[in-house]
Amino acid sequence: DAGVTQSPTHLIKTRGQQVTLRCSPKSGHDTVSWYQQALGQGPQFIFQYYEEEERQRGNFPDRFSGHQFPNYSSELNVNALLLGDSALYLCASSSGQHYGYTFGSGTRLTVV
Amino acid sequence: QKEVEQDPGPLSVPEGAIVSLNCTYSNSAFQYFMWYRQYSRKGPELLMYTYSSGNKEDGRFTAQVDKSSKYISLFIRDSQPSDSATYLCALTTSGTYKYIFGTGTRLKVLA
Repeated sequence: DAGVTQSPTHLIKTRGQQVTLRCSPKSGHDTVSWYQQALGQGPQFIFQYYEEEERQRGNFPDRFSGHQFPNYSSELNVNALLLGDSALYLCASSSGQHYGYTFGSGTRLTVV
Repeated sequence: QKEVEQDPGPLSVPEGAIVSLNCTYSNSAFQYFMWYRQYSRKGPELLMYTYSSGNKEDGRFTAQVDKSSKYISLFIRDSQPSDSATYLCALTTSGTYKYIFGTGTRLKVLA
């Protein structure tokens, strides 16, 4: 049974560029959450998608946007990249509100 | 004050030791408490999930929640070198879909 799949695994972008990260949830999960994890820090909540709608958003600027598709997969888009956006971006899937997430291995984004 | 405080470590212990990992929190509304293990260059893996107060045991792992003290713990018995990882606590409440994570504690179990 495949877990959460994220692509790409690594990415290097230049300041000002735009990036799209992709996530396929674990089989049977219908909810996708995105987190940003800076080096040496815990994950920070970006937003959660359920039934193709953004259900809740964390304290991130509008440069961060997302989408969920009918097959429950999701994308995270970041526009106008800043050096401070360099981090590990984690996708987590779940079914039900508070039974813990299943995380993917993440996409490591480096902005130069 | 941060919502969740966690000592970053590193915590080094000999193989076979009992390990105690802890988080303190400030928001008394938190009801769901989780512990995740994160190996280097990997995503977090759910170890333990607890609702409200009390203890929960799973193999070598025991999670404790003391809501009166706003203090949660994870105990690892008979620690192994393969337990070497970063351990993250995560908390949430029924009024939100957002999990609040601690910064993580790096654990090293020495063979």
